[in-house]
Order: sequence, then structure tokens, then C-alpha cells
Amino acid sequence: ETGVTQTPRHLVMGMTNKKSLKCEQHLGHNAMYWYKQSAKKPLELMFVYNFKEQTENNSVPSRFSPECPNSSHLFLHLHTLQPEDSALYLCASSQENEKLFFGSGTQLSVL
Amino acid sequence: DQQVKQNSPSLSVQEGRISILNCDYTNSMFDYFLWYKKYPAEGPTFLISISSIKDKNEDGRFTVFLNKSAKHLSLHIVPSQPGDSAVYFCAASAFGNQFYFGTGTSLTVIP
Repeated sequence: ETGVTQTPRHLVMGMTNKKSLKCEQHLGHNAMYWYKQSAKKPLELMFVYNFKEQTENNSVPSRFSPECPNSSHLFLHLHTLQPEDSALYLCASSQENEKLFFGSGTQLSVL
Repeated sequence: DQQVKQNSPSLSVQEGRISILNCDYTNSMFDYFLWYKKYPAEGPTFLISISSIKDKNEDGRFTVFLNKSAKHLSLHIVPSQPGDSAVYFCAASAFGNQFYFGTGTSLTVIP
């Protein structure tokens, strides 16, 4: 039990599909994050939410759309993705700007 | 432009010996550094941290050293155990802002 739960663990989708990744944190943290991990690249920060408000969007294409309905839940809505978007998508949470607690990730394959 | 670099993609060490994982950074404003450990099919888990006011932090078998003048930090694991085999990421932040991650070093501890 890591305190941060992500579903699904694996996802295969076509370029015309629409899917959503879900993240839930049980740690009472006030910040939640989406990271992308591609092979041989550092973890890339995509979005940050503090107290449900989006505070960072690191030039992420609009085919990725985050949603944070409350401080415990975070979604990443995906539509018309490209094969190069295939990667491990990690959700994380933190209290203020302290250390990050990660979920197990969603391994995404775009065909 | 990568601000945090881990130049060794992999490292093999005999059980019982010392493992030394290295990390270099370019931003002199970084003041908080973390090490994470990642097993396959799991998210990264926090291992140890150090702030820039210290040059060493120890937690059991794990010690992190910070050399601010060289912009270098290292993680020492003594003694190394087979269960330490994983990918290790270093991360850095400045003034509580976003964390920048390295590309990771895959450690194999040989029994």
C-alpha cells in the first residue's frame, strides 16, 4: 500500500480512442502531479495541482487534459494520442513541496 | 537541457560491498535533493534526502553526500544486498519548486 493508487496499470489504445487515467491519494496531501517516464529519459513533469488548482502545465499538448475534482483525486484524460505518447504515466502527491509519493503508474501503449 | 544528470546507466556490485551511485546537477540554486528507488512495475519510492545546508545524511545502510562546489551528490549503500537491485533516481529542486529528475542508474547486486 503506497498511499497513491493508479488505475489502470496497463492501457493499450488506438490513436482515435478516448481514455482516462485515474489517481487517488490516501495521504491527506494538498498537491498532486502527473509525470511521464519515457525510456532512457528523465521523469518529465506534466501537471501540478495545489489545493485542486492547476499551478503548472509544462507545455503539454492539449491531447492530454487533466482534471482534479478534489484534493484526493486526479485524472488524466487522453484523446487522439500519438504512438510517441507511449510511456509510463506516474501520479504523485506531496504535502506542500516536500518529497513526492508515487503511484505504481499506468503503462500506456498507443497503437 | 537536463539539469540533473546520472551518467552511469548501470552498475554491478558484489553483495556485501559498497555501491556508489552518482548524480550531477547544473543549477546552483538547487537546495533540496532526493534519491528514489524503483523496482520494475512499481512507482519510485523515496529513499533519502538532503538539504543544501548539510553535506551528509545517513539512514541505516544508505548515506547521501552533497558536494555543492562540485554540484555533485552521491548515494552510498553499505553493505549492498541483492534486494537493493533496482533503478535509482536522483532529483533536485530549488525553493520548493518542481523536482528535476535524472535518467536513473540500474543497480545490480550480485549474490
